[in-house]
Amino acid sequence: DGGITQSPKYLFRKEGQNVTLSCEQNLNHDAMYWYRQDPGQGLRLIYYSQIVNDFQKGDIAEGYSVSREKKESFPLTVTSAQKNPTAFYLCASSGRGQGGSNQPQHFGDGTRLSIL
Amino acid sequence: KNQVEQSPQSLIILEGKNCTLQCNYTVSPFSNLRWYKQDTGRGPVSLTIMTFSENTKSNGRYTATLDADTKQSSLHITASQLSDSASYICVVSGLYSSASKIIFGSGTRLSIRP
Repeated sequence: DGGITQSPKYLFRKEGQNVTLSCEQNLNHDAMYWYRQDPGQGLRLIYYSQIVNDFQKGDIAEGYSVSREKKESFPLTVTSAQKNPTAFYLCASSGRGQGGSNQPQHFGDGTRLSIL
Repeated sequence: KNQVEQSPQSLIILEGKNCTLQCNYTVSPFSNLRWYKQDTGRGPVSLTIMTFSENTKSNGRYTATLDADTKQSSLHITASQLSDSASYICVVSGLYSSASKIIFGSGTRLSIRP
């Protein structure tokens, strides 16, 4: 079945440590997105990529970095500069002709990041 | 400032009952509005998408309505089931928007009691 796979499901970070969240899709979608979800708030965009080797900052990119070396993969690194990383992170993708190529259509099941 | 407000924040109803969730937005010019269902610990799943020319759209027991003049949308759930317990998120996109201009509501947490 086609879909988006995020791993790991749970992740713990120590002070001063960088961690990388994986996101893989087999939907052949061009665009991929990373969102952060905090309790009582709407999803906030961290980074998005509309094509391989290109990505743009979202509303809350500080303390995060991404790469898009392959169409299928869009890993997110939470750096030590992100002072409040505890959250639920969601990866999404979208294809052309599905309500716009800049809108997420399919989401992964998320990674919950916590601080030790 | 573009905003999406959902109400109520949380709702508890008995199994088999109907309910209606509300979404008000200020995004302009408007392109489309989506409703998502998010189970606890899972990613959101799209239920419906509507453009400004559509007034209503159904997906099984879920019916979404849109009034582009008053900038209001509702999601009606008929004959609720225990599996409907989830958060329901309204998402609004503006015309010619980049991904950063898509606004997510904070969701309504729905609990269905047996």
